[in-house]
Amino acid sequence: GQNIDQPTEMTATEGAIVQINCTYQTSGFNGLFWYQQHAGEAPTFLSYNVLDGLEEKGRFSSFLSRSKGYSYLLLKELQMKDSASYLCAHTGGFKTIFGAGTRLFVKA
Amino acid sequence: GAGVSQSPRYKVTKRGQDVALRCDPISGHVSLYWYRQALGQGPEFLTYFNYEAQQDKSGLPNDRFSAERPEGSISTLTIQRTEQRDSAMYRCASSLLGGPEETQYFGPGTRLLVL
Repeated sequence: GQNIDQPTEMTATEGAIVQINCTYQTSGFNGLFWYQQHAGEAPTFLSYNVLDGLEEKGRFSSFLSRSKGYSYLLLKELQMKDSASYLCAHTGGFKTIFGAGTRLFVKA
Repeated sequence: GAGVSQSPRYKVTKRGQDVALRCDPISGHVSLYWYRQALGQGPEFLTYFNYEAQQDKSGLPNDRFSAERPEGSISTLTIQRTEQRDSAMYRCASSLLGGPEETQYFGPGTRLLVL
């Protein structure tokens, strides 16, 4: 099967750091994506991990452990505009399988 | 440059009618994906095209759903004999090349409501 688990909702304070976890099970795996989706808008690309380890890109970092089927997205110096859904997705073959997303609420 | 566009943006139809949803990918993008997204959920894979070839249609729910991309650019997703359960946001995405590592660029979606 192909399952992705991520928390439904998280709340954090402006300026803080938040970690959004994602676990997955799949019979075929190429890599792990994170997309951001603001309410009423299309998903937009944040990161892609294919190798184990941490990839840093500005305020956002993404980590992957292939052996554990685990990834996280780390958001630093949170801003109000970071309030959105964060979608974890894995690829295998031609398909991209998305999780349900984690809704992040950033409060002042 | 122009992003992915979809039309119509909103479609209201009566149960039993056929609908055709159009996707214009980013110019030059080889790969095109169709997804369905329910409220509060992530996109659900429907089908994938590489140029004009439909290489994976395993996500299409049943034989009322079909898709084509005859010239390797614009794609149409057709739903025949619509049912209320077909109501959802339908999104397409395109990527420059065909690899699984490619970033997908999503369109604004077509919100379909079947009455």
